[in-house]
Amino acid sequence: AQSVTQLDSQVPVFEEAPVELRCNYSSSVSVYLFWYVQYPNQGLQLLLKYLSGSTLVKGINGFEAEFNKSQTSFHLRKPSVHISDTAEYFCAVCDNFGNEKLTFGTGTRLTIIP
Amino acid sequence: SQTIHQWPATLVQPVGSPLSLECTVEGTSNPNLYWYRQAAGRGLQLLFYSVGIGQISSEVPQNLSASRPQDRQFILSSKKLLLSDSGFYLCAWSLRQGAKGRKTEAFFGQGTRLTVV
Repeated sequence: AQSVTQLDSQVPVFEEAPVELRCNYSSSVSVYLFWYVQYPNQGLQLLLKYLSGSTLVKGINGFEAEFNKSQTSFHLRKPSVHISDTAEYFCAVCDNFGNEKLTFGTGTRLTIIP
Repeated sequence: SQTIHQWPATLVQPVGSPLSLECTVEGTSNPNLYWYRQAAGRGLQLLFYSVGIGQISSEVPQNLSASRPQDRQFILSSKKLLLSDSGFYLCAWSLRQGAKGRKTEAFFGQGTRLTVV
């Protein structure tokens, strides 16, 4: 079975400061990994995804994430945050061996402080 | 292009009443379909997913059920709602792994805010 752990439920960050949102996964097989963002009362929007190839993945809105197989992590980073980045962020995993189930973490609420 | 429609956007229902939430996808065929629930402070909980018509996998035992009467239609139902069924329900679709040989991301609807009173 696969699972995702997001270690921080809430992360406050000052505007223009860097941020890292942590994500660790567990799976017995190779995986695909995703980060989504959710603004209040809306659905989820894809930020970036790792399918294969380069372990450093760049996404929208200046976010990037690095896949680390040995540490089973997929942390999300942004060098300088803006007020508009205030939202909830979800990490998700799906194995690539035919299991169609997409499993999400519990989310991290990012609050940008002016 | 593909689109996903989910309705209604908000719903207030009394305890014990039935529920039917509908989700349809356009612009693709044979998608995977998912129902998630998001309760306050609890992240996204996968309720059901389907890889084809009539094929439903249940992740959490509860008084909810799902059906897929058509390829691009996914329905979430309940015969009698409980207070604990309140939450934000999200429908999503993705391409099947076998269709392209590579997994793509899931695309989400705008959600339904259900309040059981």
